[in-house]
This record gives sequence, C-alpha cells and structure tokens, in this order.
Amino acid sequence: DVKVTQSSRYLVKRTGEKVFLECVQDMDHENMFWYRQDPGLGLRLIYFSYDVKMKEKGDIPEGYSVSREKKERFSLILESASTNQTSMYLCASRPPTGRNTEAFFGQGTRLTVV
Amino acid sequence: RKEVEQDPGPFNVPEGATVAFNCTYSNSASQSFFWYRQDCRKEPKLLMSVYSSGNEDGRFTAQLNRASQYISLLIRDSKLSDSATYLCVLTPGYNKLIFGAGTRLAVHP
Repeated sequence: DVKVTQSSRYLVKRTGEKVFLECVQDMDHENMFWYRQDPGLGLRLIYFSYDVKMKEKGDIPEGYSVSREKKERFSLILESASTNQTSMYLCASRPPTGRNTEAFFGQGTRLTVV
Repeated sequence: RKEVEQDPGPFNVPEGATVAFNCTYSNSASQSFFWYRQDCRKEPKLLMSVYSSGNEDGRFTAQLNRASQYISLLIRDSKLSDSATYLCVLTPGYNKLIFGAGTRLAVHP
C-alpha cells in the first residue's frame, strides 16, 4: 500500500513563528505536492516538486517555501506564520509515468495560527 | 475565471436516485481528467479517471467533452455511503494537478 505520511495532524503556532510541515512518501514517486484546503475554495496548489532539489511555484506560493533534499521527503515552510495561513494542509505524491496516474494524499495537517 | 469550476451543491438525494455532476475547465490544453472523492475530515482519494470515450465503473459513469470543456460524473442507484464531496481534477501538464472546489452530495434514507 502506498503511504504518504504527514508529520502532524494538528498544529497550533503563534503569529511570526517559522513553521515546518513534513511529508514523507514510501513509493519512490518523483512528484510531490503541497496544497491548502479552505471551505469554498477547494484545494489550492502551493508548490510542487518533480525531482530532488527541483521545485515549482503553484498558484499561491506567497509566504511559503519548500525543501526537497531527498526523494521521499517534501517539506513546506511558513517563514513567518500569519493568521491567514490557518488552514488544512495536504501533501500528495504521484508517479510521473503515463498521464492517468493516481495521486496519493497524506491525512492532512490542520494548522491554526494564533 | 477559475481554472476548474464546479457547482458546490449540496445535492440532497434519496437512496436509489440518479445524480449527475458537471465540471467545466478553462485550459483547453488539459491532458488528463479525474474524479476524486473526499469524505468529511479525510484526504481525497481517486474515484476514477475520465477518458475521452467515456468510462464506467459499476454505478459510476464519467464523460469528457473536450469541445465544450467539461467533464461529468453520473451516479446511479445512490447509496448512503456515496455521501461525500466529489472533486474534479485535471492536469494541464504531466506533473501538475489542479482541483475544483468540489460538489457535496448528501444521500438520505
């Protein structure tokens, strides 16, 4: 079974803190993604990575950065957390071969910034 | 204009009903299309891919209309367990996945 694991289910952080969200996948997938999900807005792509040390901005990268030092791990960094970054964060991984390949998601991290 | 648009619902239907959802997209270069299902407080999971010729998986039928840039999902004989949010997903390229905001379905006894 494919497994995508996010380090925390729930996090509470203070405004201005640097926050790290970790994601690990065990299927040797090249592609990894970070989304945030908000009511009425659905999943919005923050960043994705198609290989180690490679990254591309998604639709809402402002206030975030990412790190992909190893193939299995993709980290999302909130440089200085703000209350408008309170959200559900979902990590996903997907193999590159073929076009109709499934993305697998972690269980999500609900982040609250106070 | 959003890249992917869905009616948020909710669609409230009785068990046994047939229900259909549509999703429109703006990027004509989109290559692959999917329907994902998301249960409350859970992560999204693939329901089915959508092929140009249309495809069926049990009670679920997916269609793609490239000329009009929409995809559809038809659920026949709805079950209580079909209650969930259905997400339309497309790939404008090989790597990127773009999600719609989802359509909520509530099936009642």
